Amino acid sequence: GAVVSQHPSWVICKSGTSVKIECRSLDFQATTMFWYRQFPKQSLMLMATSNEGSKATYEQGVEKDKFLINHASLTLSTLTVTSAHPEDSSFYICSARAKDSTYGYTFGSGTRLTVV
Amino acid sequence: DAKTTQPPSMDCAEGRAANLPCNHSTISGNEYVYWYRQIHSQGPQYIIHGLKNNETNEMASLIITEDRKSSTLILPHATLRDTAVYYCIVRGVDTGKLIFGQGTTLQVKP
Repeated sequence: GAVVSQHPSWVICKSGTSVKIECRSLDFQATTMFWYRQFPKQSLMLMATSNEGSKATYEQGVEKDKFLINHASLTLSTLTVTSAHPEDSSFYICSARAKDSTYGYTFGSGTRLTVV
Repeated sequence: DAKTTQPPSMDCAEGRAANLPCNHSTISGNEYVYWYRQIHSQGPQYIIHGLKNNETNEMASLIITEDRKSSTLILPHATLRDTAVYYCIVRGVDTGKLIFGQGTTLQVKP
């Protein structure tokens, strides 16, 4: 079945630094990838949608200059949290979808980001 | 995208069927209903999806009412490992996005 690998699974960084999270589709080509953020005891909130080779489309209220998304290939998308602050601490999850898949929304295992 | 309404929590005895309801009264004719579940601190796991007809796979069954305004996810023999948050999602046809609601926390008890 479709597998999405997300790394790292957890990361701790200092305030003001940047953190990159990778999302890879291992056995299919992901034409579209989605990035979500989830705070404790809350549901997943969609941050942005990215299509391979195109600029990401951000949801309302999500700062595109703070959350940089790159989808340079059909198997890799990255989310970079720039100038991280403690309020950016959250669980970040990616999802990938193949072009011709009838259901193909496969999720990564998530990245726990803690900014200190 | 059509919104969904689910009860915040449910309990189920181990070995019994778990029936999780979902209301999606504003669903459009070509929008699919998806079910995912999330076990604590993991990414969501796909369960099943459907458009009009009832669907069954190795994990669950999905019953969609004739008017498509509601559906029920059925886990036929719940186990302790089925304890999770279950999300019912209507997929936007134009956007292709999965917008998560609050879901139902299912607690399977021994």
